Amino acid sequence: DTEVTQTPKHLVMGMTNKKSLKCEQHMGHRAMYWYKQKAKKPPELMFVYSYEKLSINESVPSRFSPECPNSSLLNLHLHALQPEDSALYLCASSQEETVNTEAFFGQGTRLTVV
Amino acid sequence: GEDVEQSLFLSVREGDSSVINCTYTDSSSTYLYWYKQEPGAGLQLLTYIFSNMDMKQDQRLTVLLNKKDKHLSLRIADTQTGDSAIYFCAEIWERGGSQGNLIFGKGTKLSVKP
Repeated sequence: DTEVTQTPKHLVMGMTNKKSLKCEQHMGHRAMYWYKQKAKKPPELMFVYSYEKLSINESVPSRFSPECPNSSLLNLHLHALQPEDSALYLCASSQEETVNTEAFFGQGTRLTVV
Repeated sequence: GEDVEQSLFLSVREGDSSVINCTYTDSSSTYLYWYKQEPGAGLQLLTYIFSNMDMKQDQRLTVLLNKKDKHLSLRIADTQTGDSAIYFCAEIWERGGSQGNLIFGKGTKLSVKP
């Protein structure tokens, strides 16, 4: 099983809403990632969790709040987003956060902020 | 800083070979990757090559690495309409110690004409 599952697939939210994106993997991977991908652009790293601890925060605004409840789950809590935050949010996982990273990606959540 | 360059578009006829090129900057990259992204979907890991290899073949896919010129290519033999997608080249950016994160090129959009 090399699957990373993301829910929901699509999300429309208002600027005053609070919502959460979820990501799950059962490959025993100890590193999990959130990427943001705008249209016609490559994915950009947002956060990295390694062994359930936040390892990297790429200067992401505080309206995005990641959480790693256990080694299989990664959430991204959203609050007071802006329309420019509309994008495809991709979750990925890899065995370790090391230089031989072979990362597997989920199908993404398409977020629209209205 | 790290940078991965790709040509943005490639158009081929069904049955022909496709060659997608990429140049990268981090000479210490140990692994280099090719990901495929179909419209509205996440990223699918196609193949990767270890930096001490010159070539890797996997069914219709051939990866060539010229480490001296920091040039990576992906050849798809007998290209099919189902190969139409965006192909991202990615390298590992080493943060220090053994930690590394994927850095993506801008992606090459492959269009396959019947």
